[in-house]
Amino acid sequence: DAGVIQSPRHEVTEMGQEVTLRCKPISGHDYLFWYRQTMMRGLELLIYFNNNVPIDDSGMPEDRFSAKMPNASFSTLKIQPSEPRDSAVYFCASRPGTLNTGELFFGEGSRLTVL
Amino acid sequence: RKEVEQDPGPFNVPEGATVAFNCTYSNSASQSFFWYRQDCRKEPKLLMSVYSSGNEDGRFTAQLNRASQYISLLIRDSKLSDSATYLCSAHGYGNKLVFGAGTILRVKS
Repeated sequence: DAGVIQSPRHEVTEMGQEVTLRCKPISGHDYLFWYRQTMMRGLELLIYFNNNVPIDDSGMPEDRFSAKMPNASFSTLKIQPSEPRDSAVYFCASRPGTLNTGELFFGEGSRLTVL
Repeated sequence: RKEVEQDPGPFNVPEGATVAFNCTYSNSASQSFFWYRQDCRKEPKLLMSVYSSGNEDGRFTAQLNRASQYISLLIRDSKLSDSATYLCSAHGYGNKLVFGAGTILRVKS
């Protein structure tokens, strides 16, 4: 079975440009999470969805960040305009809506560098 | 204060050593806890869940102390392949899984 698929794997862009990160969760998983990981701050939860509906976006740093999930098999995280401090690895993760197992299935991440 | 805190290490240990990591959590309402392993430049993967009664999986033992709000991971007979970053996590309000910053383990021959 395919795991969580993220694209692009690597993105280098210049400050001020728009960045769109994409995620395809595992089929049948009801929850989708976006995390950001940096050396300084570790793994931070940005936003999560349940059945395509955003449930908690309190971790989204500021208005420059937005996330959507138009259907059960696709989500995007957009940064506009991007800044150097947004450089990080962005992980998408999903899990089924059954028991509270806590096991998240992570994608391989999108490594973003903003110059 | 962060919801989940860990000693970042690194822990440098020889092969065969026993090493233990602790992790504290601030949200007393947290219901479940987990240890994840993350290899360099890879995604985190679940290592094991942490149950109130403690649980063991081969060389790995996880324990939970609710009174003191900490969880621990013990690795016996360390292998070179155990070198990684270990992330503890707590399932807090709603369905949020919050992670610590991770503890780096380096096992050397």
